[in-house]
Amino acid sequence: GNSVTQMEGPVTLSEEAFLTINCTYTATGYPSLFWYVQYPGEGLQLLLKATKADDKGSNKGFEATYRKETTSFHLEKGSVQVSDSAVYFCALSEGNNDMRFGAGTRLTVKP
Amino acid sequence: DAGITQSPRHKVTETGTPVTLRCHQTENHRYMYWYRQDPGHGLRLIHYSYGVKDTDKGEVSDGYSVSRSKTEDFLLTLESATSSQTSVYFCAIRTVHNEQFFGPGTRLTVL
Repeated sequence: GNSVTQMEGPVTLSEEAFLTINCTYTATGYPSLFWYVQYPGEGLQLLLKATKADDKGSNKGFEATYRKETTSFHLEKGSVQVSDSAVYFCALSEGNNDMRFGAGTRLTVKP
Repeated sequence: DAGITQSPRHKVTETGTPVTLRCHQTENHRYMYWYRQDPGHGLRLIHYSYGVKDTDKGEVSDGYSVSRSKTEDFLLTLESATSSQTSVYFCAIRTVHNEQFFGPGTRLTVL
């Protein structure tokens, strides 16, 4: 079945550092890929998405490229801020009911 | 904001009691979902609905039932709560663009 594996955290960075959170997936067909962010005490918020190979999703300085050849969708940001501290979830969807999530990666950014 | 509310936001109950969580949406989305979030597991699908009175099981449906008598409301019932059902529960809707948007969550503790 479909599944998502993302790098385990926690990840701790200094402000303005470069961020990469790795995500790889297993799917039987051609899924859409997503990154969600969860701030403390809140629900998940859609950060970005990509629907086909080589698509790049981007939002708020975050980017991820759908790489079919490596089955990956790594999240990157060039310069993180303290306000980016949150838990990040990679997810895939291949149908009406089948959104699968990674376990989440907690990011802490220190001033 | 996809107009999703959940109630209650927090609940403490005792083992063996029935519990019902409510999800309400204001934007007439056809698909609605219930997930649970546990450390190390990301989000796991409990049940979903694809229309009024149309529901189906997800990955972790044992011990849960759902009902959808109106488009805007999706109820999750724990027939007889157990300590293993202590979790944070999230409701979500799916848009026509295959994006899921989440409610703020319900923190349930079963003693």
